[in-house]
Amino acid sequence: LAKTTQPISMDSYEGQEVNITCSHNNIATNDYITWYQQFPSQGPRFIIQGYKTKVTNEVASLFIPADRKSSTLSLPRVSLSDTAVYYCLVGDTNAGKSTFGDGTTLTVKP
Amino acid sequence: GAVVSQHPSRVICKSGTSVKIECRSLDFQATTMFWYRQFPKKSLMLMATSNEGSKATYEQGVEKDKFLINHASLTLSTLTVTSAHPEDSSFYICSARDKLARREYEQYFGPGTRLTVT
Repeated sequence: LAKTTQPISMDSYEGQEVNITCSHNNIATNDYITWYQQFPSQGPRFIIQGYKTKVTNEVASLFIPADRKSSTLSLPRVSLSDTAVYYCLVGDTNAGKSTFGDGTTLTVKP
Repeated sequence: GAVVSQHPSRVICKSGTSVKIECRSLDFQATTMFWYRQFPKKSLMLMATSNEGSKATYEQGVEKDKFLINHASLTLSTLTVTSAHPEDSSFYICSARDKLARREYEQYFGPGTRLTVT
């Protein structure tokens, strides 16, 4: 499974757009990119998944450049409740298992 | 959406005793379940992959005799921490992959179980 690198922490303010970038230089052809959110003492929650270009859902957007060696999770207009750890995972859809990197701790301030 | 439950949510046990944690997929069938452990302010570490009806596959460094995993049905997997010691205190999280999943994201996580060994 491809190793991922994310910033350890980020700070933001309510109402701002937050972009978290993940590097995955060794991503394989069959790998998808998935982002999870985790609050303290809870299990991770799926946010978004993509393979290439741009994916958007009701909570976030995922931007993936053509070389797929990185990806950026974009959270529009964050609120205090978005304070959490965000994990970027890269893996083969057939492999099933996920290897978590260190994650990015996002702190949203009032 | 798909729901995965874990029981108990938290447990305190004495050193030397064994503890069983249950992971259930409530509204879907899971041929594969995964067990993770997470230490404070650390990331999730995959311990083992549990396949229904077969032996679990353990990650390197995880003692299979210490962490017994059983996946007897399509909706239930159990993790038993045997002869628990204080260093086994951790947050244990399971996830379940939908039998009909075609994408990796169709893996749903339980709420976790906080184990404290005194």
